[in-house]
Amino acid sequence: QVQLQESGPGLVKPSETLSLTCTVSGGSISGHYLSWIRQVPGAGLEWIGYIHYSGGTNYNPSLKSRVTFSVDTSKNEFTLELRSVTAADTAVYYCAREIPAAGHLDSWGQGTLATVSS
Amino acid sequence: DIVMTQTPLSSPVTLGQPASISCKSSQSFVHSDGNTYLSWLQLRPGQPPRLLIYRISNRFSGVPDRFSGSGAGTDFTLKISRVEAEDVGVYYCMQASQFPYTFGQGTKLEIK
Repeated sequence: QVQLQESGPGLVKPSETLSLTCTVSGGSISGHYLSWIRQVPGAGLEWIGYIHYSGGTNYNPSLKSRVTFSVDTSKNEFTLELRSVTAADTAVYYCAREIPAAGHLDSWGQGTLATVSS
Repeated sequence: DIVMTQTPLSSPVTLGQPASISCKSSQSFVHSDGNTYLSWLQLRPGQPPRLLIYRISNRFSGVPDRFSGSGAGTDFTLKISRVEAEDVGVYYCMQASQFPYTFGQGTKLEIK
């Protein structure tokens, strides 16, 4: 059974870049999409975008100018970079798998809290 | 963006009693392949989000049959036939037919 695990620095200073990694284990993600979703404290879920295993991406227009996804297929690792962060980017960040043409996110990571503060 | 509106935002339920959550979308979101990609997720503290229902009414692997989904067009419903203590959490509907994917605000299910 595939498992996803997010990791990251926990604390980032305003105006800097937040980098998070999603490591996939226990199964192949070949051919699948990997979505990033975040939940601001006390608020709902926001889809940030997804990256295909081949590297193709689709970003939410609300964050498109500041976010970049990448994938290292040799390590089964996916990376999110969010530039010029502010306190409004403080959130729990999740990664989740989507099988192509399935239209749902069937496996999720535990989530990692990223706090933006000086 | 498609706006997903859930009601109620909080639902106190007695153990063993049914619960129902509504999700209404700002517009219909039938994908070009003819499917409506509406799913339901459960978030419980300390656990990864869990997929319960996909494509409106299909129960995901391992999900108890007390959970069911229904609806069409812009109105969708998640029902729990008999609430158990482990069902406490926050439930979200999500559409993945159109970009960007969007979620409802969440409904907190709690035991009376």
